[in-house]
Amino acid sequence: GDSVTQMEGPVTLSEEAFLTINCTYTATGYPSLFWYVQYPGEGLQLLLKATKADDKGSNKGFEATYRKETTSFHLEKGSVQVSDSAVYFCALILRDSNYQLIWGAGTKLIIKP
Amino acid sequence: SAVISQKPSRDICQRGTSLTIQCQVDSQVTMMFWYRQQPGQSLTLIATANQGSEATYESGFVIDKFPISRPNLTFSTLTVSNMSPEDSSIYLCSVLDRAQIMAFFGQGTRLTVV
Repeated sequence: GDSVTQMEGPVTLSEEAFLTINCTYTATGYPSLFWYVQYPGEGLQLLLKATKADDKGSNKGFEATYRKETTSFHLEKGSVQVSDSAVYFCALILRDSNYQLIWGAGTKLIIKP
Repeated sequence: SAVISQKPSRDICQRGTSLTIQCQVDSQVTMMFWYRQQPGQSLTLIATANQGSEATYESGFVIDKFPISRPNLTFSTLTVSNMSPEDSSIYLCSVLDRAQIMAFFGQGTRLTVV
């Protein structure tokens, strides 16, 4: 079935380190792909999205490229800050299946000063 | 983008009681969803709230435990009934914008049952 797989956390990095959080998906049809972020004690916020192959979503220094050939949507940031500490969720929407939203398990990111 | 107001933001409740969570959207939306997020876990869809008809529940969730109302296109409520400590979770309201192909979320309700 359709699914999203993220790398397990927690991921612990030092400030200014390079970040990659892996996300791969399995889906029929052509999904739209998303990264959501959940800061401590808050709801979910959309971080970035991509709606078709080779699209790059970007926001707040984060980037992710929709790779159809590898069915991936890895999240990257060149230099993380302590304020980036949060839980990051990869997700997809299947337009062909009544806009069903499928979530990854989430990856907790801890940035140390 | 849709702005969603969800309340209460948190509550501590006695077991056996019920809590109703409200979700107000600043625009008319067709699709509204209720999720549960247990501590340290991802989101689990409870149900899709349909305007003018009964909600559609996911496997493992039943109307008697989680009754939902959707009186109009901007408002919905989720009630957690006859609560037990296992119901302690964050409950999230979400709407889907089909045109933008995006989901928006309320701030969540952090429920603790003692």
